[in-house]
Amino acid sequence: DAGITQSPRHKVTETGTPVTLRCHQTENHRYMYWYRQDPGHGLRLIHYSYGVKDTDKGEVSDGYSVSRSKTEDFLLTLESATSSQTSVYFCATATGSTSYEQYFGPGTRLTVT
Amino acid sequence: EDQVTQSPEALRLQEGESSSLNCSYTVSGLRGLFWYRQDPGKGPEFLFTLYSAGEEKEKERLKATLTKKESFLHITAPKPEDSATYLCAVQAGDYKLSFGAGTTVTVRA
Repeated sequence: DAGITQSPRHKVTETGTPVTLRCHQTENHRYMYWYRQDPGHGLRLIHYSYGVKDTDKGEVSDGYSVSRSKTEDFLLTLESATSSQTSVYFCATATGSTSYEQYFGPGTRLTVT
Repeated sequence: EDQVTQSPEALRLQEGESSSLNCSYTVSGLRGLFWYRQDPGKGPEFLFTLYSAGEEKEKERLKATLTKKESFLHITAPKPEDSATYLCAVQAGDYKLSFGAGTTVTVRA
């Protein structure tokens, strides 16, 4: 268990409002990832980070931004939430040193009304 | 573009009825193939990493195997607690994984 927590665990928000999800890890893993999981699509990568202040886009990055100012925290921001961003969001981490398996947090269920 | 296809989408088994899940992949330069288990309402839980064709890994009633084009997850004599969605993912040349859509396994007592 990589000691990953996500907050909030559940959130309901209105269209057009900004939303920030937080991922916190205690394992000092270098890599951190944000995914969304939707029925029929599986897990899709939104953004990832390969170090403090080093981030890059994934396959579904439009409408999302990220920041990583400390090793342990990775924030995902929806600048102006839309109904299509209703999903379950998972954070993951990886050491990246000897292997690249990722360890996942418990998820955040976000509903945009 | 990396592609991962899992089959079947759903599998219903009787307790003790062994079966296999398939993960076929298309990737340039496979660096690792990963299996995860996901329970409803939870994050995926890491099970195995396979690196090269011919490799096998076991954990309790689960055994993962790898060929050059696909991987199998064999479930031997499953129990109801093996009910979950099993995800397959591949890693190519960078630090990202590409996931399949998963196989949902239901084991009836």
